[in-house]
Amino acid sequence: GDQVEQSPSALSLHEGTGSALRCNFTTTMRAVQWFQQNSRGSLINLFYLASGTKENGRLKSTFNSKESYSTLHIRDAQLEDSGTYFCAAEEDYGNEKITFGAGTKLTIKP
Amino acid sequence: EAAVTQSPRNKVAVTGGKVTLSCNQTNNHNNMYWYRQDTGHGLRLIHYSYGAGSTEKGDIPDGYKASRPSQENFSLILELATPSQTSVYFCASGDARQGNTEVFFGKGTRLTVV
Repeated sequence: GDQVEQSPSALSLHEGTGSALRCNFTTTMRAVQWFQQNSRGSLINLFYLASGTKENGRLKSTFNSKESYSTLHIRDAQLEDSGTYFCAAEEDYGNEKITFGAGTKLTIKP
Repeated sequence: EAAVTQSPRNKVAVTGGKVTLSCNQTNNHNNMYWYRQDTGHGLRLIHYSYGAGSTEKGDIPDGYKASRPSQENFSLILELATPSQTSVYFCASGDARQGNTEVFFGKGTRLTVV
């Protein structure tokens, strides 16, 4: 939705390199999730954050609710990291409504 | 991790017909959600629910109804299907009772309206 602006829309990386994906929020969000959608279309949970930073293997995510953004860092990219990455955020209104960004299509090249 | 099962996984429907998409979750989550995914739009929220008997409109509810007869089941109903409703539909569940609103998705239902 318009409340969640995700960038870039597409990204190409060579194996072994890294980069960052970003989501900016136009309203206050209380939590963010990051998903990877694989080639079969399944949505895989990567991170859930209400604040701060989490790391899992080659992935690291940060959520700054005051400055209204979240990032997903990928390092040492592998071919299996290819897919579309989505952030999704919950509005800070207590309605538990979760809005998605438009996604980043990530292609990892040998 | 939540187990969210959608049925059918694929469906072809005729214009004007009634379509029901079903979703079942087995982890006693209170919240359930229906999204559709179209190229260039990401996932857009159609309806969601806080628990049995509750349905709430999402961002694009027109042309859709929802039903939550029990904690486990949440259905999306297209009373008069149209070709513009051709899409991939995802159901999700989450347990917000402890303040953690993490959601888990089913594998999706591909609907084609001809």
